[in-house]
Amino acid sequence: QKEVEQNSGPLSVPEGAIASLNCTYSDRVSQSFFWYRQYSGKSPELIMSIYSNGDKEDGRFTAQLNKASQYVSLLIRDSQPSDSATYLCAVNNDYKLSFGAGTTVTVRA
Amino acid sequence: DVKVTQSSRYLVKRTGEKVFLECVQDMDHENMFWYRQDPGLGLRLIYFSYDVKMKEKGDIPEGYSVSREKKERFSLILESASTNQTSMYLCASKVTGRLGYTFGSGTRLTVV
Repeated sequence: QKEVEQNSGPLSVPEGAIASLNCTYSDRVSQSFFWYRQYSGKSPELIMSIYSNGDKEDGRFTAQLNKASQYVSLLIRDSQPSDSATYLCAVNNDYKLSFGAGTTVTVRA
Repeated sequence: DVKVTQSSRYLVKRTGEKVFLECVQDMDHENMFWYRQDPGLGLRLIYFSYDVKMKEKGDIPEGYSVSREKKERFSLILESASTNQTSMYLCASKVTGRLGYTFGSGTRLTVV
């Protein structure tokens, strides 16, 4: 079993819709969770971090964490063409992060 | 803002060459990392370092070595470049604790 698994995608959503991305992790002691956005040919950039159960909102992004079920999700509201990218889920594991394979999101106008 | 700088954006090297990829961060982070990213395989950890002169193997260290002589600089060395090392190489740094990485802009290496 991979340490971090993401829904495989690709995910295509119409402009203005909600994009929902899911991620599960295997290490129960993980305490920190991150979502990175990566545009084609660019390096990942951190868009959300979450440490406690529940929801965390930042603009059009909402991260949700459920440690009991070992999943973390990202909602993108009012999706824009500029949100078209690959989204990487990452989980803190000692000194380092473990990454999922990523979900590619395409927002169609 | 933390800055992580990778010395080259694009590199083309010949098979058998020794290749140095340099990474410098400016925020006194203890931990630095080298990943490679390939289509369909995601991010794979090559080596990381949690202190000066300390290094730990990641998931795919074969064919690579690293050097960390100063806290701000972490170098990745391809001892004898091969075509299967053609990839995007990403450097990252973080403080010890629960915060995330900051990535450099990446080096796209092509070995011919």
